[in-house]
Amino acid sequence: AQRVTQPEKLLSVFKGAPVELKCNYSYSGSPELFWYVQYSRQRLQLLLRHISRESIKGFTADLNKGETSFHLKKPFAQEEDSAMYYCALAYTGFQKLVFGTGTRLLVSP
Amino acid sequence: GAVVSQHPSWVICKSGTSVKIECRSLDFQATTMFWYRQFPKQSLMLMATSNEGSKATYEQGVEKDKFLINHASLTLSTLTVTSAHPEDSSFYICSARGDILEPQHFGDGTRLSIL
Repeated sequence: AQRVTQPEKLLSVFKGAPVELKCNYSYSGSPELFWYVQYSRQRLQLLLRHISRESIKGFTADLNKGETSFHLKKPFAQEEDSAMYYCALAYTGFQKLVFGTGTRLLVSP
Repeated sequence: GAVVSQHPSWVICKSGTSVKIECRSLDFQATTMFWYRQFPKQSLMLMATSNEGSKATYEQGVEKDKFLINHASLTLSTLTVTSAHPEDSSFYICSARGDILEPQHFGDGTRLSIL
């Protein structure tokens, strides 16, 4: 069965420090992976998806099929990056999403 | 673009009543809509998938008679929690998508509290 694992519930860093939010997946098919972000009191919104291979708000994520990972990275964290981050995997022909448990990123000044 | 509106944002009602939650895509046609449930400090769990004009497909363990889903138009889906009980209290979130290759866009969620 498909599964997404985010091992860290909370990641706390100082402003300007590098950030890496870990995501590992388990899926027998060809994965389509996403990172969603939820800022305080706001809805869940798409941050990036692996097929786009783009950088959003300085964040990047590379799909590593050998390690079954899709870690989210940013070289210099900003206070406004503080939010809840969810990694998600699309399955059954991109129909459905399974979410990880989320990682709360806290960036301190 | 791609805004999804969910209403109401918060509802409190007595045990035994039925509650309807609406999910609307405001600026795009949603071929598919999804309903999720989120317990405190847990992840989103998919409840059902609905395509416009078709019956919803429920995930294993989700009671279709308890959670009625209607997707009568390309911009509106409703979730009705029938004869709600305290254990149905949760945060319900909908999402909508146009083309199958597009990502899902989420509503703000509805916090349901059953007394």
